[in-house]
Amino acid sequence: KQEVTQIPAALSVPEGENLVLNCSFTDSAIYNLQWFRQDPGKGLTSLLLIQSSQREQTSGRLNASLDKSSGRSTLYIAASQPGDSATYLCAVRGNNAGNMLTFGGGTRLMVKP
Amino acid sequence: NAGVTQTPKFQVLKTGQSMTLQCAQDMNHEYMSWYRQDPGMGLRLIHYSVGAGITDQGEVPNGYNVSRSTTEDFPLRLLSAAPSQTSVYFCASSYSPLPSGNTIYFGEGSWLTVV
Repeated sequence: KQEVTQIPAALSVPEGENLVLNCSFTDSAIYNLQWFRQDPGKGLTSLLLIQSSQREQTSGRLNASLDKSSGRSTLYIAASQPGDSATYLCAVRGNNAGNMLTFGGGTRLMVKP
Repeated sequence: NAGVTQTPKFQVLKTGQSMTLQCAQDMNHEYMSWYRQDPGMGLRLIHYSVGAGITDQGEVPNGYNVSRSTTEDFPLRLLSAAPSQTSVYFCASSYSPLPSGNTIYFGEGSWLTVV
């Protein structure tokens, strides 16, 4: 059974700092990996999706990398801003998982002005 | 563009009561799903549907029923509510049911408390 872990569970940084969020998964037979943002009381918004054949994806100040063989992904946020404060979740879709995404528990990020 | 709409936003139920969480999408998506989110456990798939008339179980289906009579709607029914079903429920949809690069869209969630 696929298990997805995100460490740390919470992170507080000063504005302007570059930061890295970590995601690890136990079964490397994945189809893709997706990073989401969740604001309090809201649903999830997709940030980046990395196919299993890709190494990284970039969108603005966000860069997500994927190392399938080691079961790891990182989300790099450059020049963090208070508006980046949210919970970030990663989810993997396995090759044989049909339509199921397996989510990590999330990292709650606070960027202080 | 409404996207994925869930109702109600908040609900308190007594143990043993039944209720339906509504989900509707206006993007003509084939794939719809229901997740529950519990503290520290991420989201877990309850049921999903790959098209009208087709549903299947996810990771935690017990105590829930679904149906898909139209492409737009995917209601989740709690048959006899239990305190263990206290959670935040999210409906999601995407264009393709197959593993793909299509983005998945989430509703804003339904907060359910069973007392």
